[in-house]
Amino acid sequence: AQRVTQPEKLLSVFKGAPVELKCNYSYSGSPELFWYVQYSRQRLQLLLRHISRESIKGFTADLNKGETSFHLKKPFAQEEDSAMYYCALITGGFKTIFGAGTRLFVKA
Amino acid sequence: KAGVTQTPRYLIKTRGQQVTLSCSPISGHRSVSWYQQTPGQGLQFLFEYFSETQRNKGNFPGRFSGRQFSNSRSEMNVSTLELGDSALYLCASTMGSYDTEAFFGQGTRLTVV
Repeated sequence: AQRVTQPEKLLSVFKGAPVELKCNYSYSGSPELFWYVQYSRQRLQLLLRHISRESIKGFTADLNKGETSFHLKKPFAQEEDSAMYYCALITGGFKTIFGAGTRLFVKA
Repeated sequence: KAGVTQTPRYLIKTRGQQVTLSCSPISGHRSVSWYQQTPGQGLQFLFEYFSETQRNKGNFPGRFSGRQFSNSRSEMNVSTLELGDSALYLCASTMGSYDTEAFFGQGTRLTVV
């Protein structure tokens, strides 16, 4: 079955602390994975994609095929990082499957 | 360029009615996907249209249907509305090929009373 799992519905950290949002996927093919973010009162938007191997707003994510994971990490959380984060998988049939989302709350 | 536009932004309907939501994708985008977003379930995939054909479908009942026009604009229809259909309905457009970024609309907030 094709599935994206984000085990944490809510993650609360202090400003300056490291943050890791977990994402695990189930897919028999070669995965194309993304992280999307939704800030308060804004549209859902792409944060980063695994093939780009880029760092956006200090966030990085590494694809681990052995553990079927694509965790999102940032060494020092900022208050403006507070948002809803969704991990997404694109299948070979061009279907995008989203996880349930993790709400990140960064406390001052 | 203009973003993804969804209309209307808000709707209130009563149980048993039907509703049609509209989505205008980014110019040049050929794929439109629809999602239902609720606090408890997150983003649930409804269906995806590419070049006027439904290419993918989620696990929603047949009351949920959609279509795409030759200009890539898409509509979603929900018949015989139920209270549980209250949600934010999001539309996203992409070029339609593999590994492309999805651009989302602001959504239509549907409330069923």
